[in-house]
Amino acid sequence: GQQLNQSPQSMFIQEGEDVSMNCTSSSIFNTWLWYKQDPGEGPVLLIALYKAGELTSNGRLTAQFGITRKDSFLNISASIPSDVGIYFCAGHYNQGGKLIFGQGTELSVKP
Amino acid sequence: DAGITQSPRHKVTETGTPVTLRCHQTENHRYMYWYRQDPGHGLRLIHYSYGVKDTDKGEVSDGYSVSRSKTEDFLLTLESATSSQTSVYFCAISEWMHGTGEAFFGQGTRLTVV
Repeated sequence: GQQLNQSPQSMFIQEGEDVSMNCTSSSIFNTWLWYKQDPGEGPVLLIALYKAGELTSNGRLTAQFGITRKDSFLNISASIPSDVGIYFCAGHYNQGGKLIFGQGTELSVKP
Repeated sequence: DAGITQSPRHKVTETGTPVTLRCHQTENHRYMYWYRQDPGHGLRLIHYSYGVKDTDKGEVSDGYSVSRSKTEDFLLTLESATSSQTSVYFCAISEWMHGTGEAFFGQGTRLTVV
């Protein structure tokens, strides 16, 4: 079946550092979404990307929809302790509405 | 917050028993999804629905069935629970229009099969 390969699986960084994570797929998606999950909660949307090549920012977060429509990345600048959590990418197919997720990147930030 | 309620929030059941998890929405969204979350595997799609009585399989559908008899409810049934189905289950809803949209998640159901 379709799979999203998300990397890295985990990151341990110092407060203030920048973070980069990415997702790749063998399939073409119409939409890329990036989510963050805090412990004991459901994932919450950070950024949505709807067009190939689109670059979108949300505060310290920046994400891009790859030109091939098979990849996306998320950057977090100047990380802070509350950035700790699991980050997921998700790809959506317009036809049928299927939405699949990557394996997640667990981010730890050391003050 | 999107109106999504999952029930129960926690359940312990015995191997071989049937279990049904419920997802209820008040947003009138067309699409509903069931995922399971396990360490190292992220969120894996079990089944999803694109309308009343319209459902399709996801990546890990074996051992699970779903039903959607009305817009607001999407039920996930484990026909005969096994220990490998111990997991956290999330329901999500979405409304994709004109190529845009997002999915909203419930709080999750922690299921333990002993």
